[in-house]
This record gives sequence, C-alpha cells and structure tokens, in this order.
Amino acid sequence: DTAVSQTPKYLVTQMGNDKSIKCEQNLGHDTMYWYKQDSKKFLKIMFSYNNKELIINETVPNRFSPKSPDKAHLNLHINSLELGDSAVYFCASSGTGGYYGYTFGSGTRLTVV
Amino acid sequence: AQSVTQLGSHVSVSEGALVLLRCNYSSSVPPYLFWYVQYPNQGLQLLLKYTSAATLVKGINGFEAEFKKSETSFHLTKPSAHMSDAAEYFCAVSFSGGGADGLTFGKGTHLIIQP
Repeated sequence: DTAVSQTPKYLVTQMGNDKSIKCEQNLGHDTMYWYKQDSKKFLKIMFSYNNKELIINETVPNRFSPKSPDKAHLNLHINSLELGDSAVYFCASSGTGGYYGYTFGSGTRLTVV
Repeated sequence: AQSVTQLGSHVSVSEGALVLLRCNYSSSVPPYLFWYVQYPNQGLQLLLKYTSAATLVKGINGFEAEFKKSETSFHLTKPSAHMSDAAEYFCAVSFSGGGADGLTFGKGTHLIIQP
C-alpha cells in the first residue's frame, strides 16, 4: 500500500480552468502539507494542516485553497489557473517528533496551457 | 528563521569515487536535518535524518551524513559512487522534526556519475 498517494499524477489544463489535486495518507499521521516544486526544482511549502486545522499558509495566491475533510486527506483546489501555476505539486505527511520525519507522495505535474 | 544552503548546484564524480554533497544550515534552535533524493520524474525519498541522537547518521543506499554543530553543516557522503546514484539531492531543515512547521529545503544538488 502506498503511504502517501496523490491523484492525478499528470494534469494538463487550459488557462482559466479550475482543478483539484487529491492526497491521502494511510500512515496515521496528524499533519499534512502541500509543497510546490518549480521548474528549477526548488521546493517550497505552501500549506500545512494539523488535524484538519490550517497551520501554515505561505504567501500563495488565494486562488489556491486547501481542504482537509479528515486528517488522512488533504486536497488542493486551484481556481482560474494561470501559466505560472505550472509546476510539480507534492503532498506530504508527518507524525510527531523527529522519529517519523516527513513522507512525500509521488507528485502531480500540473501543466497549464 | 531557518535556511539551508547547498553548495554546488551540480556535482560530477566518476563511478567508484567518493561522493560529497555539501549542506550548511541556519537555525535559531537545534535543528532536525534531512537528506532526500529525487530520481527523474519521481517523488522524494528519505535518505537519512538527524534527530539529535548520534551525530553520524547512516542512511539507505550506502549514504551517510555527519552533523557538525560548530560548522553548522550536514554534508552527505558515499564512499563509492554507483551509476544508479545519479539524481537530485535535497538537504532540508525543520524546527520540530515532524511538526506543522514543515521542511525548509535547499536548492538541490544534481549528482552526475561519469562512467
């Protein structure tokens, strides 16, 4: 069983569309995250949720809205997609303390055309 | 605030040679430190982590890293490079090691293995 799974793996869409990326973890972790990896492979945190509560909301456009229906799921909804949103989006989860660390999903490559 | 600097965006070594990837961190509190590897078109895989126990940390695939507080460094090494080690390597720091502050990543080092 995949520990952190995200769907879809690839997403090609036109400018102005709305799209969602789904993430699920079966590790029993309390905290989930969204990271963005840009074309230069730089990774930056976007959001973190702890037990369905938003903890971190980095400076991202408000077109990006995370939703956490329960602590095992964290979805990312993006409105009015722009060319600059093209990137790889990674979901991750973590337990408490350094023992658990952070586990990443395989990523969703979003291409806006 | 915390930050990570990885020296060298590209490192090239011959197969069988020593691999050394450099990472320096800045943190106002004792950090948790991680190395991740990303193979082409794949996700991030944890290589190893420092969580304030032993300063020399052994990871998967023969990699290890040493935490040196006086140098604020956490360099990654492997005695003998293999072709399969070619990938992107990321050093990352966290205040909590697993809490909601998440990870702050360095810009990555692309490791090239010459035959």
